[in-house]
Amino acid sequence: DTAVSQTPKYLVTQMGNDKSIKCEQNLGHDTMYWYKQDSKKFLKIMFSYNNKELIINETVPNRFSPKSPDKAHLNLHINSLELGDSAVYFCASGQSLGYTFGSGTRLTVV
Amino acid sequence: GQQLNQSPQSMFIQEGEDVSMNCTSSSIFNTWLWYKQDPGEGPVLLIALYKAGELTSNGRLTAQFGITRKDSFLNISASIPSDVGIYFCAGQLYGGSQGNLIFGKGTKLSVKP
Repeated sequence: DTAVSQTPKYLVTQMGNDKSIKCEQNLGHDTMYWYKQDSKKFLKIMFSYNNKELIINETVPNRFSPKSPDKAHLNLHINSLELGDSAVYFCASGQSLGYTFGSGTRLTVV
Repeated sequence: GQQLNQSPQSMFIQEGEDVSMNCTSSSIFNTWLWYKQDPGEGPVLLIALYKAGELTSNGRLTAQFGITRKDSFLNISASIPSDVGIYFCAGQLYGGSQGNLIFGKGTKLSVKP
């Protein structure tokens, strides 16, 4: 069983489209996160959710919206995609002992 | 915001050599962690450090939590080809909105057989 699974693995889409990335964790953690990794491999936090409540929102465009239907899921919805949104997006879950990451979704906007 | 300075940015070494990389911060962290990322995968936790001065080993890997709580290093002894990847340090504060991990910019390790 994969601890943190995200889908799809690859996503190629045109500018202006709306897309979603799904994430599920079976670790029983209370908090889930979305990170963005740019072309230089820099990992930057976008959101975290704790018990369905958004507790961090790091100055990301409001075109990005996290949606958490329950504690085990944190999906990322992106409206009006732009070229600069191309990156690898990682979901993670964790508490005080470090995070467990998913294997990433490579988003390419053309 | 908080930033971590990780060095070196990249390393090219011969198989069997030892490797050392480090992270420094202007902020104090409660926890230091070291992750490794293989191509096409997410970062995987290697070592977690919870106490200032703590020295922890995981096989050929050794990491230390600096006494000032503002730095950490990772050593890899007798490197092998599968050590290739990007190594990230990360600092974590506990409590409320500060519970997120802050990552360094990574050290890309290449090992020549």
